[in-house]
Amino acid sequence: SQTIHQWPATLVQPVGSPLSLECTVEGTSNPNLYWYRQAAGRGLQLLFYSVGIGQISSEVPQNLSASRPQDRQFILSSKKLLLSDSGFYLCAWSPTGGLRGYTFGSGTRLTVV
Amino acid sequence: DQQVKQNSPSLSVQEGRISILNCDYTNSMFDYFLWYKKYPAEGPTFLISISSIKDKNEDGRFTVFLNKSAKHLSLHIVPSQPGDSAVYFCAASSSGTYKYIFGTGTRLKVLA
Repeated sequence: SQTIHQWPATLVQPVGSPLSLECTVEGTSNPNLYWYRQAAGRGLQLLFYSVGIGQISSEVPQNLSASRPQDRQFILSSKKLLLSDSGFYLCAWSPTGGLRGYTFGSGTRLTVV
Repeated sequence: DQQVKQNSPSLSVQEGRISILNCDYTNSMFDYFLWYKKYPAEGPTFLISISSIKDKNEDGRFTVFLNKSAKHLSLHIVPSQPGDSAVYFCAASSSGTYKYIFGTGTRLKVLA
């Protein structure tokens, strides 16, 4: 069966520090991968998605970037965090070739202080 | 530009009664819709889906209704249980894209 792992669960970082959140999927090949952020009053906002290694689509201009160095690995990064980057970050995957819903990871609560 | 809207941020319902959560969308190209349930500090979990070729889909206590002409869908939970207390998100996608657009969520509280 497929599983998705996301870590860390919580993170407190100072303003201006770098960020790296990692997500990996097991039990499937060539998944579509997604990063979402849940901010207060904003619902789930799609940040990035990837349909293959090295293929990244950005949905909103922001202080973050994403990379997919391996088929089942998706990384969310920032060189210098802002206070506004605080939120709950969720990684998700869906099978390639079609959309029948995502499976989400357990999320990372990021607090920038 | 919020393409998927959940205009009720919160809803309280007595245990055993029906919960109705609403969702509106603006993009007529959306043809597949999902509902997710989310507990605090956890990832959302899939509840139920509906394709635009249907107007109703049922799974146990959960039923989703789609009104394409009104660009409106709703999730009915009956009977409601205290364990249903969570934030519910609707999401929409269109064929040929790889992504879902989520609403802002409705916090449901089922009172015992």
